[in-house]
Amino acid sequence: QLLKQSPQFLSIQEGENLTVYCNSSSVFSSLQWYRQEPGEGPVLLIALYKAGELTSNGRLTAQFGITRKDSFLNISASIPSDVGIYFCAGRPTSYDKVIFGPGTSLSVIP
Amino acid sequence: NAGVTQTPKFQVLKTGQSMTLQCAQDMNHEYMSWYRQDPGMGLRLIHYSVGAGITDQGEVPNGYNVSRSTTEDFPLRLLSAAPSQTSVYFCASSYSGRETYEQYFGPGTRLTVT
Repeated sequence: QLLKQSPQFLSIQEGENLTVYCNSSSVFSSLQWYRQEPGEGPVLLIALYKAGELTSNGRLTAQFGITRKDSFLNISASIPSDVGIYFCAGRPTSYDKVIFGPGTSLSVIP
Repeated sequence: NAGVTQTPKFQVLKTGQSMTLQCAQDMNHEYMSWYRQDPGMGLRLIHYSVGAGITDQGEVPNGYNVSRSTTEDFPLRLLSAAPSQTSVYFCASSYSGRETYEQYFGPGTRLTVT
């Protein structure tokens, strides 16, 4: 797969912080983070466009790597409703399509 | 706005049957795409369209056809269903311009091929 994510599974206690990583050997023009709840379609959390860009959305913070080949998503003070599958997705340079990583499944223990 | 709608929600097919998964959006989005989701594989791009009359292949196009005659609709056709096409199918759409790749997803169609 063009986009790799780690870890594949993550189980944490409520209130803990967590980080999900996304990387590729290819360069991306833009990169997004999505969350998918059971039985639903993914929902956009954060979109990144510039190399080194750091963006926050409430308790979520994401950064696009300087080389545009990697990113991380940090969630602070986790709560039970954060559970779901987190995907990174991106548009490879010179392509007009979006591809997804394999996902990170998060569970939060109350 | 209804957003992105998909029909049917569930479908069971026999091997060799054909069918069309419907996708419609009411947000005047230019960009639309189809993904399939299998356990541990994330979402894999089947076909996408950057506007009416324009379609292109994604990562896993074999066994599927698409057309885009209007901005609103982007149907996905399974030509001769196979058990390997058992999956959850998601349609997505997005604006043009810088936000082109920020996608809005439908609720999915759960397809089983026996």
